[in-house]
Amino acid sequence: DVKVTQSSRYLVKRTGEKVFLECVQDMDHENMFWYRQDPGLGLRLIYFSYDVKMKEKGDIPEGYSVSREKKERFSLILESASTNQTSMYLCASRATNEKLFFGSGTQLSVL
Amino acid sequence: AQKVTQAQTEISVVEKEDVTLDCVYETRDTTYYLFWYKQPPSGELVFLIRRNSFDEQNEISGRYSWNFQKSTSSFNFTITASQVVDSAVYFCALNSGGSNYKLTFGKGTLLTVNP
Repeated sequence: DVKVTQSSRYLVKRTGEKVFLECVQDMDHENMFWYRQDPGLGLRLIYFSYDVKMKEKGDIPEGYSVSREKKERFSLILESASTNQTSMYLCASRATNEKLFFGSGTQLSVL
Repeated sequence: AQKVTQAQTEISVVEKEDVTLDCVYETRDTTYYLFWYKQPPSGELVFLIRRNSFDEQNEISGRYSWNFQKSTSSFNFTITASQVVDSAVYFCALNSGGSNYKLTFGKGTLLTVNP
């Protein structure tokens, strides 16, 4: 079975801190995604990557950046965390046009 | 642009009732894929089904069935004889051919099945 692992289930950070959310997949998938899930808003795409070092902005990239130095790892970076970035962050991976496999999510609280 | 609308924010049923979750999509592409995902209280999204735009056959998997109608741009999901374990948030999603990588999700429907 495909495994998508997010490094932390819960994370608490201070405003202004630099935050790294890590995601690793073990199925050699080309595509990896970062979503944000908020009540009433569903899942919104922050960034996705279709290959190593390749990335594209999703619907809400402001305040975020990403890094994909290796195929299996896709990192989401909050350069200077703000309270409005408190949310559930979901990482996913897939082969092209195939189904997404999701990690279990990271609930980030920014105080 | 692609869009997915799940008009039902919350649905509550009693166990053994049938329930249908609606999904309406918009895309200009002729090639696209539709998905349903389930998110139980544990939080991890679970894949349920993928359907491509050229396959309009309805599908049944146990108590689950899906009705894909291109004429109305809908991909509805029915649970027959619902059970408490079906309680979850259900998301419909669209991946259209013009944007090979991007999957657009609806806002989800919270289904609560009461004993």
